[in-house]
Amino acid sequence: DADVTQTPRNRITKTGKRIMLECSQTKGHDRMYWYRQDPGLGLQLIYYSFDVKDINKGEISDGYSVSRQAQAKFSLSLESAIPNQTALYFCATSEGTSNQPQHFGDGTRLSIL
Amino acid sequence: AQSVTQPDIHITVSEGASLELRCNYSYGATPYLFWYVQSPGQGLQLLLKYFSGDTLVQGIKGFEAEFKRSQSSFNLRKPSVHWSDAAEYFCAVGAGGSYIPTFGRGTSLIVHP
Repeated sequence: DADVTQTPRNRITKTGKRIMLECSQTKGHDRMYWYRQDPGLGLQLIYYSFDVKDINKGEISDGYSVSRQAQAKFSLSLESAIPNQTALYFCATSEGTSNQPQHFGDGTRLSIL
Repeated sequence: AQSVTQPDIHITVSEGASLELRCNYSYGATPYLFWYVQSPGQGLQLLLKYFSGDTLVQGIKGFEAEFKRSQSSFNLRKPSVHWSDAAEYFCAVGAGGSYIPTFGRGTSLIVHP
């Protein structure tokens, strides 16, 4: 089984819909991250969490929210999806006190029509 | 704020040839530096990292990178490329209070047989 699992792997939805992307990990890591990848732009940090009670905004948090339901689970929500949020989304974790993501999920490809 | 530039969007090499991928960063002090690899349809994998000390860093899969402060560079090298090395490579720089990496736009490596 994968250490970092993202669901769904693919999602097509319409403008204005609320969407939740799920991430779960079996690594036992406290630190989790959500990134967005657009072609030719690398990865941009959306939100990160250093433990269950800690949530921090990244570079591009507008239009997104997160929930850290447990150590192992970190969900990303788009309250009202818009087409320019079409992208590949990655969840990642890091061990100990490292702030550098080391373990990535395989991504969720999100298309907003 | 820190930034990172990967000057080459695509690099093509023949299998067995040597490889060097370029990375330049902008930051006032010594940052943390990273290289990640992304195979098609997968998340990122950390190849190597530099925090301090020896400026030549060894990573996984036979890769190494050299930190050159005078050139603000952290180039990735491999002496002999294998077809399985074809992937997208991302340089990242971590600085500021959190040291969470900022990613470059990536270099796509194509390996010819």
